[in-house]
Amino acid sequence: DSGVTQTPKHLITATGQRVTLRCSPRSGDLSVYWYQQSLDQGLQFLIHYYNGEERAKGNILERFSAQQFPDLHSELNLSSLELGDSALYFCASSPTATSSYEQYFGPGTRLTVT
Amino acid sequence: GQNIDQPTEMTATEGAIVQINCTYQTSGFNGLFWYQQHAGEAPTFLSYNVLDGLEEKGRFSSFLSRSKGYSYLLLKELQMKDSASYLCAVRAASGGSYIPTFGRGTSLIVHP
Repeated sequence: DSGVTQTPKHLITATGQRVTLRCSPRSGDLSVYWYQQSLDQGLQFLIHYYNGEERAKGNILERFSAQQFPDLHSELNLSSLELGDSALYFCASSPTATSSYEQYFGPGTRLTVT
Repeated sequence: GQNIDQPTEMTATEGAIVQINCTYQTSGFNGLFWYQQHAGEAPTFLSYNVLDGLEEKGRFSSFLSRSKGYSYLLLKELQMKDSASYLCAVRAASGGSYIPTFGRGTSLIVHP
């Protein structure tokens, strides 16, 4: 158990819908990272938040957005869902934004778009 | 951009040694990581190299050559539970932060 929690574990929804994935980092960690993992793309970095502020963006679509709240939990919002958005979505946390190299991954949310 | 290459699949025998290679091309290099991921589970951190050389941690060792853009993960005394995907990831500095890029992973199958 990494100490990172993600809800829900599984999500099935239809194309065109909007969903919110939630992540709570390990106690004391200020950084949250979001990743998408699909069979054909591997693990793709989406976005990084540190202490409530966006720090870096990766291959995140405009239909996707994220935020980190004052209690440090984070939410990833996916809208206008397409079949290709079906994937495992992981969040990971680390203590700082730069000096900590080890990330602790949550168990993931499996999103299925039908 | 960044490019990371690692073999798609490897097989090895229980008790043996296996080396998983990773080559990368990146600007702003700030460290290379190895993660282990069992099917359907989260990746777990194995090792980190930022300077050239070998880092040893129990049955696992990781090597880095920055000039060659090359790393390997060495697994000794293989056990059946080592069957998993091994992800090579490179961290690069970008605008005051760091962007991690993962390779597609090497699926290791350990057989008796």
